Amino acid sequence: KNEVEQSPQNLTAQEGEFITINCSYSVGISALHWLQQHPGGGIVSLFMLSSGKKKHGRLIATINIQEKHSSLHITASHPRDSAVYICAVAGNQFYFGTGTSLTVIP
Amino acid sequence: GAVVSQHPSRVICKSGTSVKIECRSLDFQATTMFWYRQFPKQSLMLMATSNEGSKATYEQGVEKDKFLINHASLTLSTLTVTSAHPEDSSFYICSASGRSSYEQYFGPGTRLTVT
Repeated sequence: KNEVEQSPQNLTAQEGEFITINCSYSVGISALHWLQQHPGGGIVSLFMLSSGKKKHGRLIATINIQEKHSSLHITASHPRDSAVYICAVAGNQFYFGTGTSLTVIP
Repeated sequence: GAVVSQHPSRVICKSGTSVKIECRSLDFQATTMFWYRQFPKQSLMLMATSNEGSKATYEQGVEKDKFLINHASLTLSTLTVTSAHPEDSSFYICSASGRSSYEQYFGPGTRLTVT
């Protein structure tokens, strides 16, 4: 069993759609990270959060510690948002989800 | 937020040669640096953890003589892939943390191709 589960694994959306990617985890954590990995491989840290909600531009991340669940939302999606989104949790070690591959079609 | 850089971003080398990858924390002192490896379509896999001035701790199954890690300063760690083989071709990612280990800042990664 994976400590971090993401859903969906793959997601295709039309430009402009509202997108939600979910992350559930089974371990106690100090923080949760959302990472973005572009097709070329480069990783960008989007958010680190331990409670509540954070917003950066069109991206919103929420976390519910009691339910051990986090969501990443993208509003008004754009083709340049196409990437793999990875959820990672910091417990006694770092655990990574297998990622959600997002494709936004113009 | 904190910035971590890696150099080079891409490298191609011949089988049998050694390759060094640098990981730098640009605007903070990194007490601990982590090295990950990512196979195609898979998640990141922790290879080793290094603390400044001490020997790296390698994960089970990672050859410490093949993947040499040096963390000589609070802003620089290096990973040297020695006697590289084609199966070492992969995407290598570093991250760095300051005082709190859960605050990890990821580098952009280095794509290594061994021919």
